[in-house]
Amino acid sequence: EPEVTQTPSHQVTQMGQEVILRCVPISNHLYFYWYRQILGQKVEFLVSFYNNEISEKSEIFDDQFSVERPDGSNFTLKIRSTKLEDSAMYFCASSVGLAVLEQFFGPGTRLTVL
Amino acid sequence: SQQGEEDPQALSIQEGENATMNCSYKTSINNLQWYRQNSGRGLVHLILIRSNEREKHSGRLRVTLDTSKKSSSLLITASRAADTASYFCATDDNFGNEKLTFGTGTRLTIIP
Repeated sequence: EPEVTQTPSHQVTQMGQEVILRCVPISNHLYFYWYRQILGQKVEFLVSFYNNEISEKSEIFDDQFSVERPDGSNFTLKIRSTKLEDSAMYFCASSVGLAVLEQFFGPGTRLTVL
Repeated sequence: SQQGEEDPQALSIQEGENATMNCSYKTSINNLQWYRQNSGRGLVHLILIRSNEREKHSGRLRVTLDTSKKSSSLLITASRAADTASYFCATDDNFGNEKLTFGTGTRLTIIP
């Protein structure tokens, strides 16, 4: 069964460094998302992406964050200058969209900022 | 309460028993989805119920939706040890946005 994949599974970085989290959505899906979950807290929406542009973003998704679909398969989340509070599990999700609304999530990347 | 609040926060039952978890939300929705998360792992999609549906089944799962009360329930029948996980409801809104708003989750423990 097709699934969303994410790499790396765990990323450790120093505060102020740039990180890129990578995702490969399910191949026929058109809508892509990033969510994050700080340890012990709710899963929070960051951004949605459709037709090569951001369709919606949350307050969390400030200028330090960016997303890109550099080719036909990858979907990336870049954090330009990481802060301690960016430590969280980051989930990528995708959906077919239109009338098919289920969002399928990847296994997550655990980001630890030291 | 916040959009997507589950109760109970934690539930422990004996293997073989049924587990019921509830979710309440505040704003109008297009659909509600239930997800399972094993400790520290990814979110597994379980079932989606649309706002015009009242009940849906998938294997041992039964989901109900009461839009008048803005609540949903997830019933797992004949529970197994492998059902031990956290369960979250997630709602979209009816303004055409796809973002999901997640609840706080119910931590289910199945005692063998």
